[in-house]
Amino acid sequence: EAQVTQNPRYLITVTGKKLTVTCSQNMNHEYMSWYRQDPGLGLRQIYYSMNVEVTDKGDVPEGYKVSRKEKRNFPLILESPSPNQTSLYFCASSLVGSAETEAFFGQGTRLTVV
Amino acid sequence: QKEVEQDPGPLSVPEGAIVSLNCTYSNSAFQYFMWYRQYSRKGPELLMYTYSSGNKEDGRFTAQVDKSSKYISLFIRDSQPSDSATYLCAMIRQGGSEKLVFGKGTKLTVNP
Repeated sequence: EAQVTQNPRYLITVTGKKLTVTCSQNMNHEYMSWYRQDPGLGLRQIYYSMNVEVTDKGDVPEGYKVSRKEKRNFPLILESPSPNQTSLYFCASSLVGSAETEAFFGQGTRLTVV
Repeated sequence: QKEVEQDPGPLSVPEGAIVSLNCTYSNSAFQYFMWYRQYSRKGPELLMYTYSSGNKEDGRFTAQVDKSSKYISLFIRDSQPSDSATYLCAMIRQGGSEKLVFGKGTKLTVNP
């Protein structure tokens, strides 16, 4: 089954404690991205990756890092989380080269930073 | 002016009603238009996509694009309680850019 898997689904952490949210896809997609979704603000792209070792900033990259060492994995790293990063996070993947391609989303990670 | 505008609702309709969801956009470079459906506590999933102007029908769902007005719509006929979800419009510019630009989503509730 084609899917994007995020872990954990729920996370409560304290300010400043580094954390990583993992994302893995089994569709051999080149393009992967991270979004955060906040009430009234919708989905905003944090970072994206066009392929292995190629990453770039999205609309709201401050306070986040990513890496793409393997095609299937695209972890999101919060080096020093702050309360304003409390949000619902989604990872997504799609093929490169066709704008018609569906973006597949993970189930989401609800992060609370206290 | 935001690139994509979408009324967040909420929209509440009785079962069987025809639902109209809309987005406007400002950038004429958008060529591919999509509607995603997001159930509570789930990730968005693609419902329909349309290239350029015109209509596309899939069962009870019809997507319309009017590029001259920079306006897209999603119609749901004979709405069902299972259609209750948030609907997000999304667009991609011509040229193969993979960045989806999303509307903020409209929350729809279909009451039995």
